[in-house]
Amino acid sequence: GAVVSQHPSRVICKSGTSVKIECRSLDFQATTMFWYRQFPKQSLMLMATSNEGSKATYEQGVEKDKFLINHASLTLSTLTVTSAHPEDSSFYICSASKRQGPINQPQHFGDGTRLSIL
Amino acid sequence: QKEVEQNSGPLSVPEGAIASLNCTYSDRGSQSFFWYRQYSGKSPELIMSIYSNGDKEDGRFTAQLNKASQYVSLLIRDSQPSDSATYLCAVAGGTSYGKLTFGQGTILTVHP
Repeated sequence: GAVVSQHPSRVICKSGTSVKIECRSLDFQATTMFWYRQFPKQSLMLMATSNEGSKATYEQGVEKDKFLINHASLTLSTLTVTSAHPEDSSFYICSASKRQGPINQPQHFGDGTRLSIL
Repeated sequence: QKEVEQNSGPLSVPEGAIASLNCTYSDRGSQSFFWYRQYSGKSPELIMSIYSNGDKEDGRFTAQLNKASQYVSLLIRDSQPSDSATYLCAVAGGTSYGKLTFGQGTILTVHP
């Protein structure tokens, strides 16, 4: 169990385009979803934490108006990169976890979306 | 001081040997510890979770946790070329529930 599906896997688009990425937990209810960005040869950088039915919590330095996150249900979160520019080109990865008591459950990652802005 | 530290490597071991990956963390309140494997161009894949002191074994993988020393390790026995990847240590709990703090990753190369 614990399968997370992320779409699309790759996006190539022109500067100024808005891009929407979907993240779905297929076989469990994800109380919390996370969005990461990863640049080449670097570790994952957490962008925001998303809880179902509430506003996302953004990490310091991440523009909430640029990276819109919606967590409408226990199985779906979306990240929209608005008016994307070449510097937004990166590997975007979502993850999801179940909340079970006080112990932090592992996060399960989607396959990632490689975004290239021309 | 980084919150989660790993030796970035690269660590190179011959096929069939034991690969030993180490990780230290700074938040004493941390409760959950994870090892992820990430192949180049792919997303991380969970290998092991460990929550209490001691060893936890799963197939060729053994995770070791020592909370007093704030140290967690991953041993890979009978290493295979397919184990060549970046291994990420991740820590959760403490000051922020649910969020993972990642180390920078150790690059492992298993050569035939």
